[in-house]
Amino acid sequence: DAGVIQSPRHEVTEMGQEVTLRCKPISGHNSLFWYRQTMMRGLELLIYFNNNVPIDDSGMPEDRFSAKMPNASFSTLKIQPSEPRDSAVYFCASSLERFRSPLHFGNGTRLTVT
Amino acid sequence: SQQGEEDPQALSIQEGENATMNCSYKTSINNLQWYRQNSGRGLVHLILIRSNEREKHSGRLRVTLDTSKKSSSLLITASRAADTASYFCATGEQGGSEKLVFGKGTKLTVNP
Repeated sequence: DAGVIQSPRHEVTEMGQEVTLRCKPISGHNSLFWYRQTMMRGLELLIYFNNNVPIDDSGMPEDRFSAKMPNASFSTLKIQPSEPRDSAVYFCASSLERFRSPLHFGNGTRLTVT
Repeated sequence: SQQGEEDPQALSIQEGENATMNCSYKTSINNLQWYRQNSGRGLVHLILIRSNEREKHSGRLRVTLDTSKKSSSLLITASRAADTASYFCATGEQGGSEKLVFGKGTKLTVNP
């Protein structure tokens, strides 16, 4: 099992540009999560999906953020337009059963917005 | 919203010593999970303990849960330099969306 795969690993972009982060969850996992990690705020849940359906997006900071899960093996997190305060490490994770089973994390995308 | 809070924020010990990290939380939970994060990597799940369990072991790891005190501890015995990492507790909130909320972690350094 390859684990959760995220791309790209690093993204450097200028303010105002669109950023798309990608995630492939572990095959067979029903739930997918997007977290953001910063020194100041720690790990924050942005949104999670169950069976490809968004369940809770209350952590999405602004309308500039959007996430999709068109099928069970792919999800995207898009920021448009990006701002310097969006700089963080973005993690995707998947699990068998929402939050009642262990979350398996990808290695993250380090986003820098200048 | 922050749920679990780890204590201490940082811990430095010598190889072979035991390391104890604590986690306190505020609301009722379904389960509590501990994760490890090496620098530049994603979090790795260590142990999940359910609200009706009091203690769990996995290799050199021992986790306790005291729901009356709303606290948990993670003990790493006979630590190794490879245990150097940040350790996070995450609480599965009871009711509602049952989201998993992470603390800010304890940074453990094991000196060889």
